[in-house]
Amino acid sequence: KNEVEQSPQNLTAQEGEFITINCSYSVGISALHWLQQHPGGGIVSLFMLSSGKKKHGRLIATINIQEKHSSLHITASHPRDSAVYICAALYGGATNKLIFGTGTLLAVQP
Amino acid sequence: EPEVTQTPSHQVTQMGQEVILRCVPISNHLYFYWYRQILGQKVEFLVSFYNNEISEKSEIFDDQFSVERPDGSNFTLKIRSTKLEDSAMYFCASRLTGVDGYTFGSGTRLTVV
Repeated sequence: KNEVEQSPQNLTAQEGEFITINCSYSVGISALHWLQQHPGGGIVSLFMLSSGKKKHGRLIATINIQEKHSSLHITASHPRDSAVYICAALYGGATNKLIFGTGTLLAVQP
Repeated sequence: EPEVTQTPSHQVTQMGQEVILRCVPISNHLYFYWYRQILGQKVEFLVSFYNNEISEKSEIFDDQFSVERPDGSNFTLKIRSTKLEDSAMYFCASRLTGVDGYTFGSGTRLTVV
């Protein structure tokens, strides 16, 4: 069964801290999405990656295909980073549907 | 930046009524999806649509659900006879190709009373 696990489920940080959210998946995937969901519910795609590392501003995403593991890092965290961060695995085949993790609720305090 | 647009943002309906959730995907995208998120739970796949037909559907997507792309721009999800358990946030998404990333709409919150 295709499963995506995230940790931690909840994370509270002080402004400026370095944050890491982890994601593991159970079987081979074609790529992995990191997504951000704010209160009110809209989903924004942050990264899609299938190998190595990607960086966008203060966000860095890495993936290790052999270990079936990905991490999302936030450097110099800010209260505006507070949101739910979700990893979602893209499984191959005709449709490339996403299997979602449960999300990590991040609260960055000033 | 191109967007996926969903309307309405919130819909309240009586149990047993039909609802149509509307989505306008990015214009040159070819792959279309509906996902849903029941409050407090993870996002779940409902259905994918490519080349004017359903390419995959989940167990959730039973005979009460249907999708349509009637005019080349809109992509709709219809629930024929809503149940209380259909209350959820419904997300539309589109992709240019099978190897590109997803773009999600902002969601429609459906409340069945």
